[in-house]
Amino acid sequence: NAGVTQTPKFQVLKTGQSMTLQCAQDMNHEYMSWYRQDPGMGLRLIHYSVGAGITDQGEVPNGYNVSRSTTEDFPLRLLSAAPSQTSVYFCASSSNRGYEAFFGQGTRLTVV
Amino acid sequence: AQTVTQSQPEMSVQEAETVTLSCTYDTSESNYYLFWYKQPPSRQMILVIRQEAYKQQNATENRFSVNFQKAAKSFSLKISDSQLGDTAMYFCAFMKQNDMRFGAGTRLTVKP
Repeated sequence: NAGVTQTPKFQVLKTGQSMTLQCAQDMNHEYMSWYRQDPGMGLRLIHYSVGAGITDQGEVPNGYNVSRSTTEDFPLRLLSAAPSQTSVYFCASSSNRGYEAFFGQGTRLTVV
Repeated sequence: AQTVTQSQPEMSVQEAETVTLSCTYDTSESNYYLFWYKQPPSRQMILVIRQEAYKQQNATENRFSVNFQKAAKSFSLKISDSQLGDTAMYFCAFMKQNDMRFGAGTRLTVKP
């Protein structure tokens, strides 16, 4: 009963490095999304997907890319990390609009 | 764009007492969803309660209930019989289509 699995849980990057945050869900959910959580700002939507092959931008998409080749996976790519991307990142999935979003345990990313 | 405001950054309550967390939102939409999520120190996001805007009846989940005032765009969370395990950050969230917006959160401490 894994739910939403994010890897890694912690990561330190140097400015300019690239990396991919992995997200997988085993609930056959159509909807998947990525958020970043910063102190005093709650969670902000980065990108989301309504199904395989379909993605769209959220509130803060700059500096991030996503793709959705399968229903299960929704990776988030940082092409050239910047200190402003230091944050906690959450992946979420849900079966339909307006229903409960299940969250992964988060990835704490530090860019130095 | 929709905005969600939680005006109480921190609150505390004595064990077994009742506490109410405030949330207001701004939208021109008539159909949407509202949520309260709990984030304990483990960082996991846990759904507390969900409200559909077209339903006038306030949602209730055991010790948790909401006061949904659609005209006033207010969605407060009442926790009855507070328990030590309720200590956490609480986030109010608004969803329209695939866009989910969170408030900045309220840190609730339950004191023994």
